[in-house]
Amino acid sequence: DTEVTQTPKHLVMGMTNKKSLKCEQHMGHRAMYWYKQKAKKPPELMFVYSYEKLSINESVPSRFSPECPNSSLLNLHLHALQPEDSALYLCASSQDSGSTDTQYFGPGTRLTVL
Amino acid sequence: KQEVTQIPAALSVPEGENLVLNCSFTDSAIYNLQWFRQDPGKGLTSLLLIQSSQREQTSGRLNASLDKSSGRSTLYIAASQPGDSATYLCAVRSMKTSYDKVIFGPGTSLSVIP
Repeated sequence: DTEVTQTPKHLVMGMTNKKSLKCEQHMGHRAMYWYKQKAKKPPELMFVYSYEKLSINESVPSRFSPECPNSSLLNLHLHALQPEDSALYLCASSQDSGSTDTQYFGPGTRLTVL
Repeated sequence: KQEVTQIPAALSVPEGENLVLNCSFTDSAIYNLQWFRQDPGKGLTSLLLIQSSQREQTSGRLNASLDKSSGRSTLYIAASQPGDSATYLCAVRSMKTSYDKVIFGPGTSLSVIP
């Protein structure tokens, strides 16, 4: 099974809402990633959990908060977002195995902030 | 800082043609380079992964090469089909341990005309 699942597929939220995106994989991967992708742009890495240790992209605003409850689950908590945060949010996972490391992506959550 | 570029930005070819997509990167300290395909509004599908010690990888009608010393990779698609229409992205996995260890190129948008 090489599947990464993400829920929900679509999310519309107001700027005062709190919501969470969820990601799950059952491939035994030790690294999980959150990416943000704007239209016609490549994915931009937001956060990485590697062996349950968080790496942070310091340019990511604090209104985005990742959580890794266990090695199979990854959440992205959203609070007080801005309309410019509307994008496709992609989750990925990998073995974090150096040169053979292959990333597997989920289908994404399409987020719209009103 | 690692930078990844892709040319051309867009490509339109008649069905049946062979084609080459190009990817360049500035820092040769990489673990691997991965080629992905992305259909509009969807997640990324891994096509090929080339380890830093390898020169090429093949899968069906796809062949990817890597010249790490010159910072270049090519994706060759043989006998193109309308179903190949998508955006193709390359991504390098940097040996750096900071958050930006996976960097994507901007992508090549491919359209195969029946």
